[in-house]
Amino acid sequence: QVQLQESGPGLVKPSQTLSLTCSVSGDSISSGDYYWSWIRQPPGKGLEWIGYIHNSGNTDHNASLQSRVIISVETSKNQFSLKLVSVTAADTALYFCARGPNYSDTGDYPRDALDFWGQGTMVTVSS
Amino acid sequence: DIQMTQSPSFLFAFVGDRVTITCRASQNIHNYLNWYQQKSGTAPKLLVYGASSLQRGVPSRFSGSGSGTDFTLTISSLQPGDFATYYCQESYINPYTFGGGTKVEIE
Repeated sequence: QVQLQESGPGLVKPSQTLSLTCSVSGDSISSGDYYWSWIRQPPGKGLEWIGYIHNSGNTDHNASLQSRVIISVETSKNQFSLKLVSVTAADTALYFCARGPNYSDTGDYPRDALDFWGQGTMVTVSS
Repeated sequence: DIQMTQSPSFLFAFVGDRVTITCRASQNIHNYLNWYQQKSGTAPKLLVYGASSLQRGVPSRFSGSGSGTDFTLTISSLQPGDFATYYCQESYINPYTFGGGTKVEIE
């Protein structure tokens, strides 16, 4: 069974950098079969896709975050990470990592669902 | 960006009811539409992918349909464990937008 687990500080000061790590078990990031995504959910609100990464280093992110997003991968640890710079109170949210979409080595645009999710970690931005 | 509009936002139902949730995309997303179930701030669970394919392990009372811009999720006979919030998501293109959610509550 694929399992994902988020970890990182629960409190970040405004203007600083939010840093989270997702540890994967039951699957290998280095297999290259999937992209690995970050999603967030502000308190009482809906879900927002943040971005994804492939073990090749190929990444993409939601343009609404104005290039504040840095997603990286460490295949030796079977982990991927999220950095969100210059945070404000609006970045307070429950942050999830997830597997998906699927990767296609024929170059097809990734269009699959997110099939396994971590339990989420709450990050509050406050001084 | 593609906008995803779910309706209703809230739905009150009895155990055993047939429930239908709709999701409309602002442009053609073919069948790249997924449905998730979320209970009280826990991780969303994938129910349906590709508009109508049931994820492994999901009960057959859940079904999805639609293509293009209009989609539905149907629960044929609502069970106590189905009271949750349901989200649609387009996986056609970045930013893979989610709908606003439909909260299903006990009547």
